[in-house]
Amino acid sequence: GEDVEQSLFLSVREGDSSVINCTYTDSSSTYLYWYKQEPGAGLQLLTYIFSNMDMKQDQRLTVLLNKKDKHLSLRIADTQTGDSAIYFCAETRYTGGFKTIFGAGTRLFVKA
Amino acid sequence: DGGITQSPKYLFRKEGQNVTLSCEQNLNHDAMYWYRQDPGQGLRLIYYSQIVNDFQKGDIAEGYSVSREKKESFPLTVTSAQKNPTAFYLCASSIDLGGSVGEQYFGPGTRLTVT
Repeated sequence: GEDVEQSLFLSVREGDSSVINCTYTDSSSTYLYWYKQEPGAGLQLLTYIFSNMDMKQDQRLTVLLNKKDKHLSLRIADTQTGDSAIYFCAETRYTGGFKTIFGAGTRLFVKA
Repeated sequence: DGGITQSPKYLFRKEGQNVTLSCEQNLNHDAMYWYRQDPGQGLRLIYYSQIVNDFQKGDIAEGYSVSREKKESFPLTVTSAQKNPTAFYLCASSIDLGGSVGEQYFGPGTRLTVT
């Protein structure tokens, strides 16, 4: 199948870490991405990881990739109210041509 | 500043009318995309174009049409044949279709309401 799956909601307290999870099905993935969407706006790329890596860290963001289980996670350290948004997992795969598949998005609520 | 723009931000139409959504980019990107976003669903690909004068149907192309006469522009027409056109429409572009990092740059979106 083509699915990229994420849970729809996550709620955390300000200052805690948030972990957003994603699973995908296709083993031909080349790059995996995390995008952020604020209300009424387009998506903005947060970070990406190449499929032969297992971890990438960028300031408060840590991406972990378990290729065996086809599981991708995004950890946001010291979550702030400004992190409240929808986070989309996406993968680019090559199956005769490149195609990017997006998950349904995880809505992160940060409580003060 | 380089970027991708969509206009208008909000659009209202009566059922049975065609409507065209604008998308322009000055990033010198070859590939451009149109997505539809509905609540609780991921982005669904309507059409994409990897080069001027070429475009391909995505997963939900029925009731939509596009053109790519210029590298910078990829307008989407929502026709009266689209059964459920009310949605948030997002345009995106990337350097190419995915051979490099494949990062897509998104416009701010157009919310279309058809009554």
